Amino acid sequence: GAVVSQHPSRVICKSGTSVKIECRSLDFQATTMFWYRQFPKQSLMLMATSNEGSKATYEQGVEKDKFLINHASLTLSTLTVTSAHPEDSSFYICSASGLGAVSRNTEAFFGQGTRLTVV
Amino acid sequence: GNSVTQMEGPVTLSEEAFLTINCTYTATGYPSLFWYVQYPGEGLQLLLKATKADDKGSNKGFEATYRKETTSFHLEKGSVQVSDSAVYFCALRGGGADGLTFGKGTHLIIQP
Repeated sequence: GAVVSQHPSRVICKSGTSVKIECRSLDFQATTMFWYRQFPKQSLMLMATSNEGSKATYEQGVEKDKFLINHASLTLSTLTVTSAHPEDSSFYICSASGLGAVSRNTEAFFGQGTRLTVV
Repeated sequence: GNSVTQMEGPVTLSEEAFLTINCTYTATGYPSLFWYVQYPGEGLQLLLKATKADDKGSNKGFEATYRKETTSFHLEKGSVQVSDSAVYFCALRGGGADGLTFGKGTHLIIQP
């Protein structure tokens, strides 16, 4: 299957600082990338959908000014957690789908996830 | 909206036991259904999928059948191995949403 690389795998930051997480599709071009957040013992919750060259579409309840998403190329999307607070500590996972519109059958490939701890 | 409910874990079995992880869903229209697996320290990997009613997805000895009448997609394997120890996520895509809707995940532990 296709490879999606997410970096860093773990990050600890101080409260009030910003953290950037990168998601790269290594061997395919991704028109659409998704960002998920996972709380302990909870399911993955979709935060936003980003299409290359367009503004991201955020799910209800997700602050777009706090979670900045950039999808400037077909192989890279970034999530920046701005002015991080301890409640932002979580596991963030990206996934990418290949060229073309996402359909019911489209397979999504996942990164390894990033464990963010805000102290 | 869409939702996925799967059995809580952890599920602990002995090697060669029969496995069932239940998954039921709520969605409008005709969603596609997926099982993803996450091995320790790795990202989610697609295990199998089914895109229409009565379809059976299968891979690595695992099977799941898309049951529209019971809105279920239970994961089964006849004889589990220690290497199957992982977290399994049931998911769907549909109802007009591009992103996946996941269940909470079931941690499977296989003991030798």
